[in-house]
Amino acid sequence: GESVGLHLPTLSVQEGDNSIINCAYSNSASDYFIWYKQESGKGPQFIIDIRSNMDKRQGQRVTVLLNKTVKHLSLQIAATQPGDSAVYFCAENIEYGNKLVFGAGTILRVKS
Amino acid sequence: DSGVTQTPKHLITATGQRVTLRCSPRSGDLSVYWYQQSLDQGLQFLIQYYNGEERAKGNILERFSAQQFPDLHSELNLSSLELGDSALYFCASSVDSGRQQFFGPGTRLTVL
Repeated sequence: GESVGLHLPTLSVQEGDNSIINCAYSNSASDYFIWYKQESGKGPQFIIDIRSNMDKRQGQRVTVLLNKTVKHLSLQIAATQPGDSAVYFCAENIEYGNKLVFGAGTILRVKS
Repeated sequence: DSGVTQTPKHLITATGQRVTLRCSPRSGDLSVYWYQQSLDQGLQFLIQYYNGEERAKGNILERFSAQQFPDLHSELNLSSLELGDSALYFCASSVDSGRQQFFGPGTRLTVL
């Protein structure tokens, strides 16, 4: 029979274009946020993090934006490459909390 | 390579059996976390240990247990296995509780 699975949103972009992946978080008390990338068959890999006292943080080709008013997080990837194809997860953490709470994930597909 | 190691990489077993998954955290990390990733549930936090002590519990079944040893490696024990336990099991480690976590490559458990 047909298997039931999470229906993750998919973002398809052309190689070289910029990608924006969005995430809505649940807890207004969360003060630390992380983006992870997970390639097929591998564990989640840290990309970038941001604390709640910041609105924006930049890394190499990636930027994370935080809007605490609407509890929204976004990951921008500049000049997207085929190697960026993966599932991207946002995660939130409450100060002195003991676990990260992960979002469902977004599939990024890069077309050459 | 995150520095977190997990063994075995793959495990195939039958319903009703018991298995043990092993994790070695990054050097210097005191916290170990276990996560389950399945097709229909996404990435779910199971349990956290900090320096040998259980720190937090998530959606962990009573059939599952874990421990962290004095050398800081951790084991996740899964018993009375059911078909629905088939999933990827990830271990992560961090220096501080709840903050940036580094994930291992995972153990793929298949229950037949």
